[in-house]
Amino acid sequence: DAGVIQSPRHEVTEMGQEVTLRCKPISGHDYLFWYRQTMMRGLELLIYFNNNVPIDDSGMPEDRFSAKMPNASFSTLKIQPSEPRDSAVYFCASSLAGLAGGLYFGPGTRLLVL
Amino acid sequence: SQQGEEDPQALSIQEGENATMNCSYKTSINNLQWYRQNSGRGLVHLILIRSNEREKHSGRLRVTLDTSKKSSSLLITASRAADTASYFCATDGAGTASKLTFGTGTRLQVTL
Repeated sequence: DAGVIQSPRHEVTEMGQEVTLRCKPISGHDYLFWYRQTMMRGLELLIYFNNNVPIDDSGMPEDRFSAKMPNASFSTLKIQPSEPRDSAVYFCASSLAGLAGGLYFGPGTRLLVL
Repeated sequence: SQQGEEDPQALSIQEGENATMNCSYKTSINNLQWYRQNSGRGLVHLILIRSNEREKHSGRLRVTLDTSKKSSSLLITASRAADTASYFCATDGAGTASKLTFGTGTRLQVTL
C-alpha cells in the first residue's frame, strides 16, 4: 500500500491567496483526520471525517478554513484567504474503525504564507 | 489545547542506553498512544495502551500507564541511532470518540 498521500508537499504563497491541500487516505480506511503542526501550538486536530461525513470541525480555526471529503479516496483542506499565521505543516491521517489501530499519517504539506 | 505534556522536552543519550519519556494528561481517557516523528516526516504509530491496562510491550518498547496519576511512560531499551526522533503521546479522551489529542513531544537524540 502506498500509504496516505498528500499534495503538494511544499506550498509557498502570498497572503490573501487561496490554498488547497489534498489528501488520499489509505484504501479501505473509513476515518480521515486533518492536523496542523506548529512550533508554538504543536499538533492540533482541525477536523475529522467518518465515512466521508464531517464529524467534528471544532478545531477549524475560523471561517477561512474549510474541508471536504467528496468520496472515500479524496479530501481537501482549503484556506481562503490565507494569512501568514497559517504557515505550518498540515498532516492528513487515516484510520480503520476509529483509533484502536492508530492513525496513519501522510508526509505532510509544508505551507508558508508570505 | 493539548491534552498531554511530555517530559523531558529533550533527551540525549548514547547508543545502547535506555531512554525513558514521560507523558502527563489532564482528563479521563479511553486509550493512550505513542507516536514517533522523524525530522520532516509524518508521525508513525508505535503502541496503544488501553485505560484498563497497566503495562504493554512491543519489541524494545515498554509502555506503562497509571490512570490514578494520569501519566504514562515510554521506555526504549538498548537505543540505536535510528531511534533519534521526536516522540509524542496522544490521548483519546473519554467522551471524545475518535478525537486524538497529542502532547508536546520529547525530542530524543541517540549518539554513537
